[in-house]
Amino acid sequence: SYELTQPPSVSVSPGQTARITCSGDALPKEYAYWYQQKPGQAPILVIYKDSERPSGIPERFSGSGSGTTVTLTISGVQAEDEADYYCQSTDSSSTFWVFGGGTKLTVL
Amino acid sequence: QVQLVQSGADVMKPGASVKVSCKASGYTFNGYYMHWVRQAPGQGLEWMGRINPNNGGANYAQKFQGRVTMTRDTSISTAYMELSRLRSDDTAVYYCATFPDLVPYWGQGTLVTVSS
Repeated sequence: SYELTQPPSVSVSPGQTARITCSGDALPKEYAYWYQQKPGQAPILVIYKDSERPSGIPERFSGSGSGTTVTLTISGVQAEDEADYYCQSTDSSSTFWVFGGGTKLTVL
Repeated sequence: QVQLVQSGADVMKPGASVKVSCKASGYTFNGYYMHWVRQAPGQGLEWMGRINPNNGGANYAQKFQGRVTMTRDTSISTAYMELSRLRSDDTAVYYCATFPDLVPYWGQGTLVTVSS
């Protein structure tokens, strides 16, 4: 079955740039979405259609892609950005959704 | 604006079935698939399947084939997800989600606890 691969954890100091990657064979063809989830809360969309930012999401969040890898970049990381981040896309038939395993972002 | 409002939390016995509802508003309900996603405690997000509200056709993740049924009532813009033969590892928060114009919107989640 189709899978998206994320690193389990990423650590950065406040003010630095965090990059979280997500790899999958269908990503050149299918859009990627990124969600932020803090403990006890529902996921919040931070990037949609690879690089679009919903209203209300700070400009420090951005998305990009190259080949079979997409990247969520958080510039000038703040303590409040500490959370789990999930990528999501669809398989090559555009039928089945798939989520990455999640990346825990730790702000040192 | 798009809103998905889910039914309240449920506590179920092992072996029972649970039916979660998701009432949609703010967009054309028939026009976009409704997806169901779950998250067990301490675990990641897991896609369960989707239903086409226009014709009722559904696609299910292989893991849930035979145990999940997704339906809808277009007269009240509501989608349903029923999971049968519940086990303790089905304890999770269940979400509905839709993608009008490729922008995702999620319900608030429904906690289903399976416990004897």
